Amino acid sequence: AQSVTQLGSHVSVSEGALVLLRCNYSSSVPPYLFWYVQYPNQGLQLLLKYTSAATLVKGINGFEAEFKKSETSFHLTKPSAHMSDAAEYFCAVSGNSGYSTLTFGKGTMLLVSP
Amino acid sequence: EAGVAQSPRYKIIEKRQSVAFWCNPISGHATLYWYQQILGQGPKLLIQFQNNGVVDDSQLPKDRFSAERLKGVDSTLKIQPAKLEDSAVYLCASSSRTSGGVGGEQFFGPGTRLTVL
Repeated sequence: AQSVTQLGSHVSVSEGALVLLRCNYSSSVPPYLFWYVQYPNQGLQLLLKYTSAATLVKGINGFEAEFKKSETSFHLTKPSAHMSDAAEYFCAVSGNSGYSTLTFGKGTMLLVSP
Repeated sequence: EAGVAQSPRYKIIEKRQSVAFWCNPISGHATLYWYQQILGQGPKLLIQFQNNGVVDDSQLPKDRFSAERLKGVDSTLKIQPAKLEDSAVYLCASSSRTSGGVGGEQFFGPGTRLTVL
């Protein structure tokens, strides 16, 4: 069984500040890990994914995440926040075998102030 | 490339009524998913289809929810009868990985927001 825990339901940053959204996972098998973003009244869009290749994964819109097995973490970062980054972010985990499904965290709302 | 289409976008019903949602996945995507997203929570998988066969429906409340995927393309999700706790956004997603989307990207539709009064 897999699960993810996202620390903090809301994170507030100023425009230009570092963004750090935390995700810890639990998995009985080597996991695949994902970050999705959801803008208001829209579906989810994939930001980046880890599938056992490089541990530092770069995604769209300047986001990146690092897989740390020793810490069972996959935190999402961006060096400088933009107003357009304000959205809800979901971390998700799946197994690495056929028909493995995604299990999502509860989400973190990112608020960006001018 | 057209995205995942869903309709209706919004639906308000009384409890004990029935409702149906429709999803048209991205052309050629073999795998289709229905998720339920309750306010303040992440999406929860209800059912996964591979072509027109069910791969996983372990979290589908089968006493009131049903889903089908005719000819391996479009899909409908039905609730009958609806309860207050069914108020949520119902998301449809599709994936092109024939192995069920492992490591592959799932593309999400805009969702249907259901309110049960």
